[in-house]
Amino acid sequence: DTGVSQNPRHKITKRGQNVTFRCDPISEHNRLYWYRQTLGQGPEFLTYFQNEAQLEKSRLLSDRFSAERPKGSFSTLEIQRTEQGDSAMYLCASSLNWGTADSYEQYFGPGTRLTVT
Amino acid sequence: DQQVKQNSPSLSVQEGRISILNCDYTNSMFDYFLWYKKYPAEGPTFLISISSIKDKNEDGRFTVFLNKSAKHLSLHIVPSQPGDSAVYFCAAKYSGAGSYQLTFGKGTKLSVIP
Repeated sequence: DTGVSQNPRHKITKRGQNVTFRCDPISEHNRLYWYRQTLGQGPEFLTYFQNEAQLEKSRLLSDRFSAERPKGSFSTLEIQRTEQGDSAMYLCASSLNWGTADSYEQYFGPGTRLTVT
Repeated sequence: DQQVKQNSPSLSVQEGRISILNCDYTNSMFDYFLWYKKYPAEGPTFLISISSIKDKNEDGRFTVFLNKSAKHLSLHIVPSQPGDSAVYFCAAKYSGAGSYQLTFGKGTKLSVIP
């Protein structure tokens, strides 16, 4: 168990550019979550996958944001036409569910810090 | 509208004493609560959780208490150690079927003084 990994750890981009982040969850975990955290705030939910299906999306996830988990393993989060307000830490988390046993504990990666200049 | 509130941005405690971190929530539909610890440049680390059907859960030095009528929970750390210095987040989950998103408070920065 190597934990949740995220790449890159840091990304600096110019306003208007597209960026893509990758998350690799804990290998046996079937649920994957994306959160965004800004300075002085707690993480805010963006979206959630169960296997490859995207089941929940927050109002925070504007049309410029898209997330995928094509094979139910790793996930990508893309932001198109970045704005300065997108500058934040983007956190990925995963959790495990099987049968009737439901686990609500989510395990977080180290995050990708995005700076839009 | 902040549904999970941690009203103390910071807390300082002497090593060996008890640390008490507080959290209030406004939504009675929350049915599961979690505490996370976060060090700088790392993601949040799960600490301890409690279901709304319980009023206490203990794990080593960490105990979480839930008062549903007051919509209040607290995390007790006894004894506090310098390595406990971090930001602590309270989080809550809705009871709706198939809803797994967590709603976080803004965090409390705990400093344990040697």
